[in-house]
Amino acid sequence: SQQGEEDPQALSIQEGENATMNCSYKTSINNLQWYRQNSGRGLVHLILIRSNEREKHSGRLRVTLDTSKKSSSLLITASRAADTASYFCATDASDSWGKLQFGAGTQVVVTP
Amino acid sequence: DGGITQSPKYLFRKEGQNVTLSCEQNLNHDAMYWYRQDPGQGLRLIYYSQIVNDFQKGDIAEGYSVSREKKESFPLTVTSAQKNPTAFYLCASTGTSGVSSYNEQFFGPGTRLTVL
Repeated sequence: SQQGEEDPQALSIQEGENATMNCSYKTSINNLQWYRQNSGRGLVHLILIRSNEREKHSGRLRVTLDTSKKSSSLLITASRAADTASYFCATDASDSWGKLQFGAGTQVVVTP
Repeated sequence: DGGITQSPKYLFRKEGQNVTLSCEQNLNHDAMYWYRQDPGQGLRLIYYSQIVNDFQKGDIAEGYSVSREKKESFPLTVTSAQKNPTAFYLCASTGTSGVSSYNEQFFGPGTRLTVL
């Protein structure tokens, strides 16, 4: 079963623009994580935000978490062509012992 | 050079054959995971292991088997009972900080299995 659901499914923007994607989930969580996947490759971890945190930054990435709405957002600022990838949210539920539930992902295309 | 490796990168199998996918990590992580990814979809958990000599079924374990005889190794066997095995298979590992507090997962590069 997939707990996280990303929105939108696909996003096309130009270099320099910001990209925002959202993730909704159903059960209580220990943490929520965002990953990036380039075509045909493994996933790369971007940010982990714990359930008691509301916002986190890493370089051009900003993640927010609203546990009351069971949702999170990932913002990529000043996008580059190299940001073209699929982005997945994954939730670590409170009783999951480290198991992650992944959403279907948002495919982001950044054009020069 | 620390990390997690998978082999082979591409694997072709005839129907009715069992195949084993390798996953090795030198990150000293206790927990390891196997996922399956189909085109345009997210990852689904096949099996996971939190400690050596112990493993648990994930959401789609039917037709698969695993072993965890060593901390650094978690091979996955795709058996002939798996009805639709063509997919991209990803292995991951994670460490813990504190009691039952898991961190981010580190992924291998994946194995693309095609059944002919």
